[in-house]
Amino acid sequence: DGGITQSPKYLFRKEGQNVTLSCEQNLNHDAMYWYRQDPGQGLRLIYYSQIVNDFQKGDIAEGYSVSREKKESFPLTVTSAQKNPTAFYLCASSRFGANVLTFGAGSRLTVL
Amino acid sequence: AQKITQTQPGMFVQEKEAVTLDCTYDTSDPSYGLFWYKQPSSGEMIFLIYQGSYDQQNATEGRYSLNFQKARKSANLVISASQLGDSAMYFCAMRPYNFNKFYFGSGTKLNVKP
Repeated sequence: DGGITQSPKYLFRKEGQNVTLSCEQNLNHDAMYWYRQDPGQGLRLIYYSQIVNDFQKGDIAEGYSVSREKKESFPLTVTSAQKNPTAFYLCASSRFGANVLTFGAGSRLTVL
Repeated sequence: AQKITQTQPGMFVQEKEAVTLDCTYDTSDPSYGLFWYKQPSSGEMIFLIYQGSYDQQNATEGRYSLNFQKARKSANLVISASQLGDSAMYFCAMRPYNFNKFYFGSGTKLNVKP
């Protein structure tokens, strides 16, 4: 079955460490997105990519980095510059012009 | 600028009753799509329903219907015959057709009482 795989599901990080969240899709979707969700709040866009080797900052890109070397993969690195990284991270994808955004199951990052 | 507003942080509904979750949006784009997603406590995002800005009829998907009032820029979700499994967070979202970006509201937490 096609879908989006996010890993790890849970991740603990010490302050000052960089961590990378994986997002892989086999839906042949063109666009991929990373959202951050804080408790009781909505989704905020971190980065998005519409084609390979190209990506754009969203509303809260500071302290994060991404790459899009393959159509299927869009990893997110949470750097030590992100001051409050504890959150739930959701990866999503869509075809161009699609009327639906497909999500992965999410990764929960906790900074110790 | 695009903005989605959900003014109900939390709502209660009795099982088997209908409930309306409010959503208003602001956009300068003439063409856009409106969406509702459900997020259970597990965290997954489940697509519920879609409405295009030029669609003449309100969208329906099973027990879900979208009450679209274009002039008022509102896209309320109506859930009929609520079930205990409907207890979740619900998010309204919009995608302007000129962009491949999706904008989300802050969500409404729905609790269905037995």
